[in-house]
Amino acid sequence: DADVTQTPRNRITKTGKRIMLECSQTKGHDRMYWYRQDPGLGLRLIYYSFDVKDINKGEISDGYSVSRQAQAKFSLSLESAIPNQTALYFCATEPQHFGDGTRLSIL
Amino acid sequence: AQSVTQLGSHVSVSEGALVLLRCNYSSSVPPYLFWYVQYPNQGLQLLLKYTSAATLVKGINGFEAEFKKSETSFHLTKPSAHMSDAAEYFCAVRGSGGSQGNLIFGKGTKLSVKP
Repeated sequence: DADVTQTPRNRITKTGKRIMLECSQTKGHDRMYWYRQDPGLGLRLIYYSFDVKDINKGEISDGYSVSRQAQAKFSLSLESAIPNQTALYFCATEPQHFGDGTRLSIL
Repeated sequence: AQSVTQLGSHVSVSEGALVLLRCNYSSSVPPYLFWYVQYPNQGLQLLLKYTSAATLVKGINGFEAEFKKSETSFHLTKPSAHMSDAAEYFCAVRGSGGSQGNLIFGKGTKLSVKP
């Protein structure tokens, strides 16, 4: 099994829809992260969590929210998706363990 | 504030040639530096990291990087490129908070390897 699992791997949806991206980890790490990757911009931090009760905004949190349901689960929500949120999204635990990403397209 | 600049968004080398990917950093504290590789349709994989021990850091897949404080650089090298090295490479520095700081990534360098 992968250390960090993201679902779905791909998603196409429409403007205004609510979307949830899920992440689970088997490493037992306290720290979890959500990043967004855009071509030519590298990875930018959306939210991070040091434990279930500690959630923090990253560089680009506007338009996103997160929930840390358990040590192993950290989900990212787009309450009302807009086209410029089309991107590749990564979940990670401690910096060394990344999921394979969710490719999100918003039409 | 900490930041990272990767020089060259695309680098192309021939198979067997030297690979050199450049990374310069800015940090107000002793830096923690990382190189990651991303293959198509995959997440990032840690290649190597510098955490103030030896200045020459050896990583996986034959890659190494040298920390040069005077040049604020942490360039990634590999003596002989393989076709399988074609990927995107990211340099990163820990943000404020020292060893506990979040990662700040460069914009990435795509490496192409020609047969």
